[in-house]
Amino acid sequence: DAGVIQSPRHEVTEMGQEVTLRCKPISGHNSLFWYRQTMMRGLELLIYFNNNVPIDDSGMPEDRFSAKMPNASFSTLKIQPSEPRDSAVYFCASSGAYGTTNEKLFFGSGTQLSVL
Amino acid sequence: SQQGEEDPQALSIQEGENATMNCSYKTSINNLQWYRQNSGRGLVHLILIRSNEREKHSGRLRVTLDTSKKSSSLLITASRAADTASYFCATDSLSQGGSEKLVFGKGTKLTVNP
Repeated sequence: DAGVIQSPRHEVTEMGQEVTLRCKPISGHNSLFWYRQTMMRGLELLIYFNNNVPIDDSGMPEDRFSAKMPNASFSTLKIQPSEPRDSAVYFCASSGAYGTTNEKLFFGSGTQLSVL
Repeated sequence: SQQGEEDPQALSIQEGENATMNCSYKTSINNLQWYRQNSGRGLVHLILIRSNEREKHSGRLRVTLDTSKKSSSLLITASRAADTASYFCATDSLSQGGSEKLVFGKGTKLTVNP
């Protein structure tokens, strides 16, 4: 198995531009998570899905952020418009369990986002 | 939401020494997990310990859990330079709608000097 695949690996954009991050979870996993990591705030859960349905989006910073999971093998996290304070590493993770805490998460390599 | 807090924030040791990292949390948990992150990479799961367990081993890793003190420790024995990484604890937390989510601490940065 290739693991959780994220793209792009690095993204540099200008303030105000739309940014789309992509994630392919491990085949057969039914839970998918988007995390953001910064030095100041550490690792924050933005949103997670179970069976393609968003369960908890309370970590999404504001309306500029949106996430979709149109099918079991693909998810996107979109920021529109982007701002410099959105600069961070964004991780996608998946799990084979319904619910989040009883099984381990498998993380992708992350997308390093820089908004200038 | 509750969050585990690792201690110390940074730890530097010599190869062959043992490394101990601690995690404290605020409210009752169902289980606690430890993850490792190498620089520029995603997190990798190390071990999960349930609330009714007191100790768990995996290779050179030993995890303890003290629910009365709301704390856990991760011990790496006979450390190697390749153990250099950041180590995170993660605890479950109730979120909106009653669902559970995994909340991470800010990690301990371990440096093992050859």
